[in-house]
Order: sequence, then C-alpha cells, then structure tokens
Amino acid sequence: RKEVEQDPGPFNVPEGATVAFNCTYSNSASQSFFWYRQDCRKEPKLLMSVYSSGNEDGRFTAQLNRASQYISLLIRDSKLSDSATYLCVVNGGAGNMLTFGGGTRLMVKP
Amino acid sequence: DTEVTQTPKHLVMGMTNKKSLKCEQHMGHRAMYWYKQKAKKPPELMFVYSYEKLSINESVPSRFSPECPNSSLLNLHLHALQPEDSALYLCASSQGDNQETQYFGPGTRLLVL
Repeated sequence: RKEVEQDPGPFNVPEGATVAFNCTYSNSASQSFFWYRQDCRKEPKLLMSVYSSGNEDGRFTAQLNRASQYISLLIRDSKLSDSATYLCVVNGGAGNMLTFGGGTRLMVKP
Repeated sequence: DTEVTQTPKHLVMGMTNKKSLKCEQHMGHRAMYWYKQKAKKPPELMFVYSYEKLSINESVPSRFSPECPNSSLLNLHLHALQPEDSALYLCASSQGDNQETQYFGPGTRLLVL
C-alpha cells in the first residue's frame, strides 16, 4: 500500500464547475499536511497547508480528517488556469521528510 | 520572498562528464533538500541538509555527491551518470527541519546521453 494515495485522474471539468480531490495517508503519526500544485514542466508550488479545523483560501477549501487519515481539496468555480497536477503531501518523518502522493491531474475546459 | 533559484535550467551531459547543479536561497532557511522527479511521477527525496550538515541520504548512488558550502547554497555534483538519471532535479528549502513548509526551486532538467 502506498503511503499517500490519490486518484490520478485526469479530472476533466468545464469552467465554473466545482471539483473535489481526495487523498489518504497511511502513517498515523503524520503531523502536517499540504496541497501543492505543479504545472507541466514546472516545480511544485505550495497551494495551501491543511489543518484539522479546515481552511479556505478564496475558491480553495482543504479539509483534514485525522481519524480517517483523509485529506480533501475542493475547488469552486474552476478556472482554465486551475489546470495542473495537484499533489497531496504529508510530513511525518524525521528530518522534515515529505511524502508525496502520485498527484491528481485536473483539466479545466472552456 | 519565497524564492529558491537553481542553475542551470537545462543540462545535457555525457556519461563520462562531471557537472554540478547549484541551488541558492536567501530566506534564511536552515534546511535544504535535493529531489529527483521523473515524468508523470512525484518528486523523490535524495538528500536533506539541516544546518549545513547532511542529515538524510536516501540511499542515493555515489555518482551523486551533495555539498553545502554555506547555509544559502546547496550543490549537487554529478559524475559518471547513466541515461536513467535523466530527470528534473529540484532543490527545496525550509525554515527548519521540523514540520516546516518546503519551497521548491524551478529545477534543472538533466539529460544524460
């Protein structure tokens, strides 16, 4: 079983749609959680950290369920510019080691 | 300013060449990382430097040799690479080494012929 699992997609959605990504992690000792966005042939960029209380940044909402070891990302009112791969990232190892999910590819169409 | 810079952007090298990748950050971060990323895969951790000391080596072959000259710089020396080492090499940094957010540089795209 992979340490961090994501549906690879692709998710093909029209502009304006709401789309949700899910991620599960296996290490119950994990302490911090992130969503990164990666455009084709570019570096991963931090989208948002994820907290148990849930957090929202504009059109993006992230949720963490520690009991179920589950993380989600909701994107409302999708834009063409949201097209990218979204990486679920968990930090729980020594030395600040990140464990990446395989990424979920989103394609927003006109 | 969360900027990590990397040079060169692209590198083509033969299997007998020696080259170096460079990474720099001026955010006062005390932890720096090297990752390798193949197409359509997530980044894989190679090395972690914490307070200028190598703290993690993820069983990386010795043809990759990291160096941290000071707290702002991180190098990756390459020697006798194989074609399967062709990948995007990403540098990242974080404030410290305990549950800190990591910020990535733009990467060096390496092709080994």
